[in-house]
Amino acid sequence: QSALTQPASVSGSPGQSITISCTGTSSDVGAYNYVSWYQQHPGKAPKLMISEVTDRPSGVSNRFSGSKSGNTASLTISGLQAEDEADYYCNSYTTTNTYVFGTGTKVTV
Amino acid sequence: QVQLQESGPGLVKPSETLSLTCTVSGGSISGYYWGWIRQPPGEGLEWIGYVYSTGSTNYNPSLKSRVTISGDTSKNQFSLKLTSVTAADTAVYYCARYHLGGAYFDYWGQGTLVTVSS
Repeated sequence: QSALTQPASVSGSPGQSITISCTGTSSDVGAYNYVSWYQQHPGKAPKLMISEVTDRPSGVSNRFSGSKSGNTASLTISGLQAEDEADYYCNSYTTTNTYVFGTGTKVTV
Repeated sequence: QVQLQESGPGLVKPSETLSLTCTVSGGSISGYYWGWIRQPPGEGLEWIGYVYSTGSTNYNPSLKSRVTISGDTSKNQFSLKLTSVTAADTAVYYCARYHLGGAYFDYWGQGTLVTVSS
């Protein structure tokens, strides 16, 4: 099972919007609406930001939103803030009842 | 608020067994799924597997032959055993609560670094 493909880095200025892509196949991202996104600051545990493609857990800023088209899921951060600088990982359920993470994207503000 | 805390040796010798325990507080492990994820230094996340409180499990195929995840409802803990370790198993190991219905991990431990070295 290969890792989902994410851009290595994405950058933006404060206040701007950025989008991180997560590309898989018809056996994972494209098969179900079970894509989640995690934010990880250096030396810290990952934090759930988006579940089931679009759902935002309680306490997560509404500046974070998710979407999916075909085999590619996306995380958009609007109104970029300094505190958003972190690594971001997508995760998907697969048709073989396993789970695969993305390669990770470093966001620089 | 559910909290998770990993514990176990930080150094394991090659060919030996890595054993970690995750203690859950603020809620019962009964009725939930609990999993392990690891992250080699400077690399990305890798799903290891999960266990339901009744004992049913699901493992990453690439690790399945070496992994055992089990739960102990009396201690409100669950554990990870990884046999025949090599340097490639050096990583930060995270325990997390897994939400089966939505296929996501919602609560995470802080992580513990395990180094495989003689």
